[in-house]
Amino acid sequence: GEDVEQSLFLSVREGDSSVINCTYTDSSSTYLYWYKQEPGAGLQLLTYIFSNMDMKQDQRLTVLLNKKDKHLSLRIADTQTGDSAIYFCAEDLYNFNKFYFGSGTKLNVKP
Amino acid sequence: DAGVTQSPTHLIKTRGQQVTLRCSPISGHKSVSWYQQVLGQGPQFIFQYYEKEERGRGNFPDRFSARQFPNYSSELNVNALLLGDSALYLCASSVDSGANVLTFGAGSRLTVL
Repeated sequence: GEDVEQSLFLSVREGDSSVINCTYTDSSSTYLYWYKQEPGAGLQLLTYIFSNMDMKQDQRLTVLLNKKDKHLSLRIADTQTGDSAIYFCAEDLYNFNKFYFGSGTKLNVKP
Repeated sequence: DAGVTQSPTHLIKTRGQQVTLRCSPISGHKSVSWYQQVLGQGPQFIFQYYEKEERGRGNFPDRFSARQFPNYSSELNVNALLLGDSALYLCASSVDSGANVLTFGAGSRLTVL
């Protein structure tokens, strides 16, 4: 349950949609999270999804969960330059409040 | 309301020294967790404390220790510093040990020379 994998980089143009993908290895995870980290800053919680859900939408953010394939994605609609940051997915195994993070996907939004 | 506050924000130490990092959780939050983020990687879990008791420990050597005080603030201590301890140390708080939302501070950046 400690192998959370993400692609390292994603580059999009302003106004396009961004899709950031994550795979995790432990189907016991109860909650899955997306955090955003801007340069020199801590982690900001964007959204999270409970493992019995397939999808969650929150304004410009859509999270899709495929439990069978252990795949999590974050879609950002109408991506803005302010969305440029590193995005981390994380799982909370067995609801122990012990988070395992991926290595992060650096999103670059070009004007 | 103040968020999670950490101090110091930056510090430089030399190998073999000891360091103490401090964290104040959000008011009303009783659980504090510590994470280490090495440059270019995701955060790694070090400790979780709830009501002054250790509730979880990650795969870190005994040089790493922590404690939580009656006011729920916390300290992370690292002894005999190694170059590889250079990292951003993040503190996160949550309402209780079973809560599923961690709120992170901005971190303490430690450089070991």
